Amino acid sequence: GESVGLHLPTLSVQEGDNSIINCAYSNSASDYFIWYKQESGKGPQFIIDIRSNMDKRQGQRVTVLLNKTVKHLSLQIAATQPGDSAVYFCAENRIQGAQKLVFGQGTRLTINP
Amino acid sequence: NAGVTQTPKFQVLKTGQSMTLQCAQDMNHEYMSWYRQDPGMGLRLIHYSVGAGITDQGEVPNGYNVSRSTTEDFPLRLLSAAPSQTSVYFCASSYNSARAEGGYTFGSGTRLTVV
Repeated sequence: GESVGLHLPTLSVQEGDNSIINCAYSNSASDYFIWYKQESGKGPQFIIDIRSNMDKRQGQRVTVLLNKTVKHLSLQIAATQPGDSAVYFCAENRIQGAQKLVFGQGTRLTINP
Repeated sequence: NAGVTQTPKFQVLKTGQSMTLQCAQDMNHEYMSWYRQDPGMGLRLIHYSVGAGITDQGEVPNGYNVSRSTTEDFPLRLLSAAPSQTSVYFCASSYNSARAEGGYTFGSGTRLTVV
């Protein structure tokens, strides 16, 4: 089985409820942020991104909120479904003009029926 | 359109052995990178390349070499495998070398065990 994420923070939600996954970033110079979803045995998959000149961005069933004052990023998933079970990572672009995404630790989302 | 293809999917090495992890993309992406993923530590950047002939080190480059002779391929070489290199390795690519707009496309990973 998948050994990644043995020590990850875990969020358990009921099917149909909304999920909120949080991420703190460290570098105030970061200006681009991405959320990824990683299912067991697969590579990370892009969900949604946001630039630092925005506070909120919405996609299909997902919303990303950015609070630059406290360097906090969150991913909201509406009406959580079993297929949303995965590990979710935030990533920040820390170096202006260079492509070096730095990933957070990840949060495991489990859905209770 | 295969995206990012990594081979092998699984590998067991003995300490001191060398090997190459293969990564190929068919999307004409400029940017390619290698990450390792360890329990509780997220993904850490090993090496990256912004185009053919150009490579640079990431956060954890020691013990690994890369080259980028073509746009499509970005192999990762382990020179002398150590147990600390036991990990899951991901290759990722994106179209634009300056920004990761729209995110990276990741391969499915290579699970490496060094005994």
